[in-house]
Amino acid sequence: GAGVSQTPSNKVTEKGKYVELRCDPISGHTALYWYRQSLGQGPEFLIYFQGTGAADDSGLPNDRFFAVRPEGSVSTLKIQRTERGDSAVYLCASSSGTGAGNTIYFGEGSWLTVV
Amino acid sequence: GEDVEQSLFLSVREGDSSVINCTYTDSSSTYLYWYKQEPGAGLQLLTYIFSNMDMKQDQRLTVLLNKKDKHLSLRIADTQTGDSAIYFCAEKLQNTDKLIFGTGTRLQVFP
Repeated sequence: GAGVSQTPSNKVTEKGKYVELRCDPISGHTALYWYRQSLGQGPEFLIYFQGTGAADDSGLPNDRFFAVRPEGSVSTLKIQRTERGDSAVYLCASSSGTGAGNTIYFGEGSWLTVV
Repeated sequence: GEDVEQSLFLSVREGDSSVINCTYTDSSSTYLYWYKQEPGAGLQLLTYIFSNMDMKQDQRLTVLLNKKDKHLSLRIADTQTGDSAIYFCAEKLQNTDKLIFGTGTRLQVFP
């Protein structure tokens, strides 16, 4: 596609429920990133994929968070037993490589509200 | 440790220059970036600078890097109302592919 696409754009869920957030990276981009941005804060790194494998998942806050990228393109961020503190914008990004000069393109984010 | 700090707010008059400052703590940073975020939108990469450079200019944007003081700045010349947004600096550490973002500076441009 023309840009990084994320769905849903908005999601309201009840505490304790399971949530999936989807990311469609730019076609051909091998690197895919998930970030979380809380209100008034900068984005915080969650996980990074190179191809199908998670190259760095050091930012996932706990084992309720999990992400997959089974075919090296679309990725899904999964959150189990959601808590109110999980409310944030979840940003996906992709790039064509991992060199520092490779531009990382961000999607518009999925706004998650846990009530 | 990894820590990137920015002042929270900047207000300038249209046509003036804006200078947004950022400090970082990790000396192993390889690249430093400036992103722009408009309300309800994703992050837009404005420019980046390699850590062995001290200045980069791109049209109205000038990035200055003082590696000794770990200080980065973004100067926007002839600031326009369309420049109103939140600006984030970010660093990429050596041997990693993740970016560490600052808390963002909200730039407000008034006529």
